[in-house]
Amino acid sequence: AQKITQTQPGMFVQEKEAVTLDCTYDTSDQSYGLFWYKQPSSGEMIFLIYQGSYDEQNATEGRYSLNFQKARKSANLVISASQLGDSAMYFCAMRESDVEAGNQFYFGTGTSLTVIP
Amino acid sequence: GAGVSQTPSNKVTEKGKYVELRCDPISGHTALYWYRQSLGQGPEFLIYFQGTGAADDSGLPNDRFFAVRPEGSVSTLKIQRTERGDSAVYLCASSLRETVSSYNEQFFGPGTRLTVL
Repeated sequence: AQKITQTQPGMFVQEKEAVTLDCTYDTSDQSYGLFWYKQPSSGEMIFLIYQGSYDEQNATEGRYSLNFQKARKSANLVISASQLGDSAMYFCAMRESDVEAGNQFYFGTGTSLTVIP
Repeated sequence: GAGVSQTPSNKVTEKGKYVELRCDPISGHTALYWYRQSLGQGPEFLIYFQGTGAADDSGLPNDRFFAVRPEGSVSTLKIQRTERGDSAVYLCASSLRETVSSYNEQFFGPGTRLTVL
């Protein structure tokens, strides 16, 4: 089974509008971390936001917020007030904290976001 | 300070040849990761170092792949008898010491694009 599932291969959003990128995950661990990364066409991976499994509040970082629904195992990224520079690939990732699982990060297949002027 | 650097940025080789990819992590980061990203996919975990030792190499696809980090800083990913299927972008990331109960952001390098003809 896939550890991270991103079901939206491509998304379009109007500039200044908000957009939600979906992510569901699969783990039996109680302690884990969820991450979102942005990868522009230049190729570098840019960290956006982190949510710990025990965090009660949804994480926020500027225009980015993470809609964490633990029971549903979803960690959707919300980008508010989209900007043209937000056009990129977005990857959801998970790190399990189980000692035997090691320190693997599992990435989804990504969502390509295009912001339309 | 300098970020994670990777050399070369591009490597073209012929099937059956041996290649070495280098990663220079951020100074002071004891954790180092290698990932492989194929076209249209998310990064795929290969190996994780904590200091000089490979703490988790379960992502290495076969025994043609090997990585070292002899002094706990620079790491080299080595691929023997390259195959066309090895063509991908190889990403390196580093972070502060990882523990089971903590989170540390991974900082990614720009990647090495490997093409096997």
